[in-house]
Amino acid sequence: SQQGEEDPQALSIQEGENATMNCSYKTSINNLQWYRQNSGRGLVHLILIRSNEREKHSGRLRVTLDTSKKSSSLLITASRAADTASYFCATGGGSNYKLTFGKGTLLTVNP
Amino acid sequence: NAGVTQTPKFQVLKTGQSMTLQCAQDMNHNSMYWYRQDPGMGLRLIYYSASEGTTDKGEVPNGYNVSRLNKREFSLRLESAAPSQTSVYFCASSNPGLAGVSYEQYFGPGTRLTVT
Repeated sequence: SQQGEEDPQALSIQEGENATMNCSYKTSINNLQWYRQNSGRGLVHLILIRSNEREKHSGRLRVTLDTSKKSSSLLITASRAADTASYFCATGGGSNYKLTFGKGTLLTVNP
Repeated sequence: NAGVTQTPKFQVLKTGQSMTLQCAQDMNHNSMYWYRQDPGMGLRLIYYSASEGTTDKGEVPNGYNVSRLNKREFSLRLESAAPSQTSVYFCASSNPGLAGVSYEQYFGPGTRLTVT
């Protein structure tokens, strides 16, 4: 079964606006990761946040993690048309080498 | 570095036919994974190989077999294809950290498989 659930399922914004996507999960984790998938392509890793971290930045990306609420958010600031893609959260837990992916948020950035 | 490569890119099979999807990585990663992606379902893990010589079932292993041929290569075999196996298949690799915690995974471009 899916561990992470992204919200919303789809998001449409104008270029220059900020985009926020949320992820909720059910069990304890070691880390939470965000990936981007452009249409017809493989996934690309964006950022990893460990369970003992609360916030992490990478360029225009800001990720927060609240382990008490079992939730994470991904903020993309000053969005560009090239940010149009599906975004997935993935959780890693235990010593089993695996990640469990959510169903994704489809972000459309209109020029 | 090519990263993770997958062959073929596209394939059409008839029900009952067999085929092998090939995956190779040149990043010297220990762990490799096979996922399938269906509309509205996200990615689901079929099989994974934590290290050379080991393979384990994921969430949806029925109808598939895998072989970790060496550290670079991890193949996925459909012995008797069914329409329910129509999907996009992704291979990924990573280097796990301490205690096997999974860190970032690197994905191939995918294989689009249609079973008629």
